[in-house]
Amino acid sequence: KNQVEQSPQSLIILEGKNCTLQCNYTVSPFSNLRWYKQDTGRGPVSLTIMTFSENTKSNGRYTATLDADTKQSSLHITASQLSDSASYICVVSARSQGNLIFGKGTKLSVKP
Amino acid sequence: DSGVTQTPKHLITATGQRVTLRCSPRSGDLSVYWYQQSLDQGLQFLIQYYNGEERAKGNILERFSAQQFPDLHSELNLSSLELGDSALYFCASSVGGRLTDTQYFGPGTRLTVL
Repeated sequence: KNQVEQSPQSLIILEGKNCTLQCNYTVSPFSNLRWYKQDTGRGPVSLTIMTFSENTKSNGRYTATLDADTKQSSLHITASQLSDSASYICVVSARSQGNLIFGKGTKLSVKP
Repeated sequence: DSGVTQTPKHLITATGQRVTLRCSPRSGDLSVYWYQQSLDQGLQFLIQYYNGEERAKGNILERFSAQQFPDLHSELNLSSLELGDSALYFCASSVGGRLTDTQYFGPGTRLTVL
C-alpha cells in the first residue's frame, strides 16, 4: 500500500536553532517528492520538489534530501525564525498513477 | 497571494444537501487540482483537470464530481452531504499537467455540514 509517514508529529524549537524533519515512504513506482509549508488555515506553499535522480535541493534556509534507495527524505531548516512555525507536509507522487500521497505533516513551533 | 482564487470562503449547510465550490486558477495555468483536508485525515488529493479534461483521480467519492470549463475555472460539486464531509477544500493550479509541476494553492473553502 502506498504510504507516507512523517516524524516527529510535532516539534518545538528555540528561534535560531536548526531542526530536521523526516519523511519515509513506500510509494511505488516513485515519481517525485515534495515538501510543503502550510500556515494554519491557509493553503500549502511549495518548498522543494525532487525527482528520482536528485538527492539534495535547497530553497533559502530549507534543504531537502532524498535517498531513493532507503525511501527516505528529510527537510533541514537552518537558523529557524518565528515565521517558520507551521506544518510541513511531505508529498510523494506515484509515476503513471497520477496520484499524490500526503503525509500527515510535522507541526513545528518556533519559540522566542 | 498565490493568484488562485476560491469561493466561497466559508460554507455552512445541512446533511443531505448539495454544494458547489468554485476555483479560478492563476493566469496561464492549465491544470486545476482539488484537495480535501480534514483534521483526522490530513490532505487528500481528489482530482486533477488539465485544459478541460480529467487527468488524474485520487480518493474522490462518487457523491463528489468536478469539471473544468473552457475559461479554465473549475467547480467541485458535493452532493448528499454527510457530517464527515466537513473539511477545508483546497484548489491548486499549475502551468502544465505533469506530476513534477509546481502547484499553487488557493486559500481554501471551509465547509461545515451540520
